[in-house]
Amino acid sequence: DADVTQTPRNRITKTGKRIMLECSQTKGHDRMYWYRQDPGLGLRLIYYSFDVKDINKGEISDGYSVSRQAQAKFSLSLESAIPNQTALYFCATSDPTGGQDEKLFFGSGTQLSVL
Amino acid sequence: AQTVTQSQPEMSVQEAETVTLSCTYDTSESDYYLFWYKQPPSRQMILVIRQEAYKQQNATENRFSVNFQKAAKSFSLKISDSQLGDAAMYFCAYTNFGNEKLTFGTGTRLTIIP
Repeated sequence: DADVTQTPRNRITKTGKRIMLECSQTKGHDRMYWYRQDPGLGLRLIYYSFDVKDINKGEISDGYSVSRQAQAKFSLSLESAIPNQTALYFCATSDPTGGQDEKLFFGSGTQLSVL
Repeated sequence: AQTVTQSQPEMSVQEAETVTLSCTYDTSESDYYLFWYKQPPSRQMILVIRQEAYKQQNATENRFSVNFQKAAKSFSLKISDSQLGDAAMYFCAYTNFGNEKLTFGTGTRLTIIP
C-alpha cells in the first residue's frame, strides 16, 4: 500500500464548482505539502503544514485553501474552480527528525481538469 | 528567493550511452540540499539522488552521479549506460538546510533511443 495516498487520481469538473483533493499518509510525518505541476513550469508550492495547528501559504496560494484534519490528513480545496487551475496536483510529506533529512515523499498525484 | 534553472527542456540519448542533464541554482545560503527527481509516465515522483552542499564529494547512486560545483552553483546529473527505463521527466530541486520546502526547476524530458 502507498504511504502517501491521494484521491481522486483523476477529476474533471466545471468552472465555478467547489472541489476537494484529499491526501492521507501512513508515514507518521508531521510535515505535509501541496504542490501543483504545470507543463514547462515544474512544481510549485501551494500550501504547507508543519503540524496540525500550523498552516502556511506557498508561492501560489491564491484560489486555494487547505485543511489539516489530523496529522495524517491534509486536504486541498478549490472554492470556485477556474480553467487555469487545470494541473497535476501532488501531496508530499517529510520528516526531518527521522533520519530522512530534507527528502520529500510524494503521493501519486491528482490530475484535475477544469472545463 | 531561491531559483532553480534547467535550460534543457528536452534531451535524448542512445541506449547504453551517457547523458548529462544540467541544473543551475541561485541562493545566498551556505547550507542547503540539492536533489534530482525522476517522473516517469506513471507520474510518480521518484528521488534519484541527493547532495548536501557541505559535502565536497559528489553523490553517486549506481548509474547516476552528480557534478556539484558549489562556487558555480551548478548541479548536473550524469546517467551512465542509459536504459529504456530511464526515459522520464527529470526535475532538479533545491531546499535550505532545515527547510523542506523544495524549489523545483522546470524539468528536462529525457528520451532514450533504442
